[in-house]
Amino acid sequence: EAGVTQFPSHSVIEKGQTVTLRCDPISGHDNLYWYRRVMGKEIKFLLHFVKESKQDESGMPNNRFLAERTGGTYSTLKVQPAELEDSGVYFCASSGQGNTIYFGEGSWLTVV
Amino acid sequence: GENVEQHPSTLSVQEGDSAVIKCTYSDSASNYFPWYKQELGKRPQLIIDIRSNVGEKKDQRIAVTLNKTAKHFSLHITETQPEDSAVYFCAASEGNQGGKLIFGQGTELSVKP
Repeated sequence: EAGVTQFPSHSVIEKGQTVTLRCDPISGHDNLYWYRRVMGKEIKFLLHFVKESKQDESGMPNNRFLAERTGGTYSTLKVQPAELEDSGVYFCASSGQGNTIYFGEGSWLTVV
Repeated sequence: GENVEQHPSTLSVQEGDSAVIKCTYSDSASNYFPWYKQELGKRPQLIIDIRSNVGEKKDQRIAVTLNKTAKHFSLHITETQPEDSAVYFCAASEGNQGGKLIFGQGTELSVKP
């Protein structure tokens, strides 16, 4: 069974540009999460989808971040326009009926 | 909301020694406490978890203890090996409905041969 997959694995963009990160959760998982780890700090929650609905988006930093999960399958996280402080690792995770949350490899974003 | 504090931030041990990482949490409704290991450039991997109806859980060289009254939980690694070197994160569920995890700050464990 495939795990959580994320694309791209690494991205370097200039300040002011747009980046879109994609996440494919484990098949059948209704819950999809986005987390971010900035500059070696803790892993911070961004938002939680249940199927296609946003259950909790309290961790989204500001309106430059837009997450979608069309059809309740894969999700995208768009940063527009990107700022220097957006650099970090963006993790997607998914879970099924239980609590266990499985993480993807992360998308490493560098804004220069 | 939930707040999780993790200590120490760095830990260096000799191969074969034990390592202990401690976390405290603030939300008494939290009922799920996983531990993740993240090697450099890799995904966080779940290594063990505990639910609030259990005080201790063990899996080979790894054990986790939970004190609900004091709202703290700990990770114990015995007979450490160099491949145990990684960053370890504790986490607590926000409330008791599953879903969202709040993470500690991470502990960088270094096991010296």
